[in-house]
Amino acid sequence: QSVLTQPPSASGTPGQRVAISCSGSSSNIGSNNVYWYQQLPGTAPKLLIYRNNQRPSGVPDQFSGSKSGTSASLAISGLRSEDEADYYCAAWDDSLSAWVFGGGTKLTVL
Amino acid sequence: QVQLVESGGGVVQPGGSLRLSCVASGFTFSTYGMHWVRQAQGKGLEWVAFIRDDGSNKYYADSVKGRFTISRDNSKNTLYLQMNSLRVEDTAVYYCARDLWWWGQGTLVTVSS
Repeated sequence: QSVLTQPPSASGTPGQRVAISCSGSSSNIGSNNVYWYQQLPGTAPKLLIYRNNQRPSGVPDQFSGSKSGTSASLAISGLRSEDEADYYCAAWDDSLSAWVFGGGTKLTVL
Repeated sequence: QVQLVESGGGVVQPGGSLRLSCVASGFTFSTYGMHWVRQAQGKGLEWVAFIRDDGSNKYYADSVKGRFTISRDNSKNTLYLQMNSLRVEDTAVYYCARDLWWWGQGTLVTVSS
């Protein structure tokens, strides 16, 4: 059971916009920054979003992040087949003194 | 270009030990905190441990506390994970990551009799 809760799956058609949620608590998302990762099959995770809504250089603006209270969301617009991957959220947890990840969301492009 | 290369994975019996290494290049290793994160086959990411840039503070997941030790040698640009009392459930690909931004390609640890 992950400390951060994500839906196990999400889907959309090419060109569509999808959002993936990440729910936590006051000790993690509520008081710390949220990070989002994309993991393509057989590869290492890649940072998509840091500090809730910042994109590293090279990450296209089709990816955007937001945070409100104890929840965060990753939005992917203009969906493409190559966006099919697993997506994870992460945050530091003050109570656990540990980093925590969501269980991951498998995105399918129909 | 940031590069992280893990090594040391392999097959070990339950109760055994293994030491993983992660050699860093392309950045000033001594100025960044470093993590180990693992992923069992078909499962999600699980954070394992973190060490500050100067090694002064270390943090561990409850699942490995008391069994795993994270360390670093800044003179060798190398991060380590000493894993003792290994269990079947420790079987996973282990990634090292620089401040959770840059990730290596991982090394597979299999604990099996």
